[in-house]
Amino acid sequence: GENVEQHPSTLSVQEGDSAVIKCTYSDSASNYFPWYKQELGKRPQLIIDIRSNVGEKKDQRIAVTLNKTAKHFSLHITETQPEDSAVYFCAASGGGGGADGLTFGKGTHLIIQP
Amino acid sequence: DAGITQSPRHKVTETGTPVTLRCHQTENHRYMYWYRQDPGHGLRLIHYSYGVKDTDKGEVSDGYSVSRSKTEDFLLTLESATSSQTSVYFCAISPGTSLYEQYFGPGTRLTVT
Repeated sequence: GENVEQHPSTLSVQEGDSAVIKCTYSDSASNYFPWYKQELGKRPQLIIDIRSNVGEKKDQRIAVTLNKTAKHFSLHITETQPEDSAVYFCAASGGGGGADGLTFGKGTHLIIQP
Repeated sequence: DAGITQSPRHKVTETGTPVTLRCHQTENHRYMYWYRQDPGHGLRLIHYSYGVKDTDKGEVSDGYSVSRSKTEDFLLTLESATSSQTSVYFCAISPGTSLYEQYFGPGTRLTVT
């Protein structure tokens, strides 16, 4: 089955700086890669996703890049703000496109220092 | 929040007792999922459903069963709860047409003593 590795486990950045979280996956058939943000005690919320026919996708201050050859994808947050502090999870679909569930990384705790 | 509710939101139970968690959606989505979340493990898929009475196992299905008799409800049952099943359980739904993005419910915190 699919295996997703996520790094780093904790990331501390100064407010206003950029943050980058990286994930690798094992199943070359995976074609859907979402990112979730989870605040303490809350549900994971989908913030951005990318499909395997796209190399990069942006939504305001967040962007995701995908390198299918190397089997890795990354989340980029620019101009970080205090409300960006949370745990971020990457996930990969496996060959089913997500219909048969997602495989998640173990999460990155992003801390925005004032 | 995508019209998903979970019940109960919190439960404490004893080892060996049966427990059923409910996920209810108002979106009429075809796909529903149960995940568990534990520190250091992220989210792991337990079971999923691709339609009424159509279910399949996920990565960590041992000790769990599911049922889906109506589109809107997906039940997760622990036949005989164990301490290793203490976790936060999240239900997710997906429209499952050409897109499989998943939206999560609020979660159920289960403690098995």
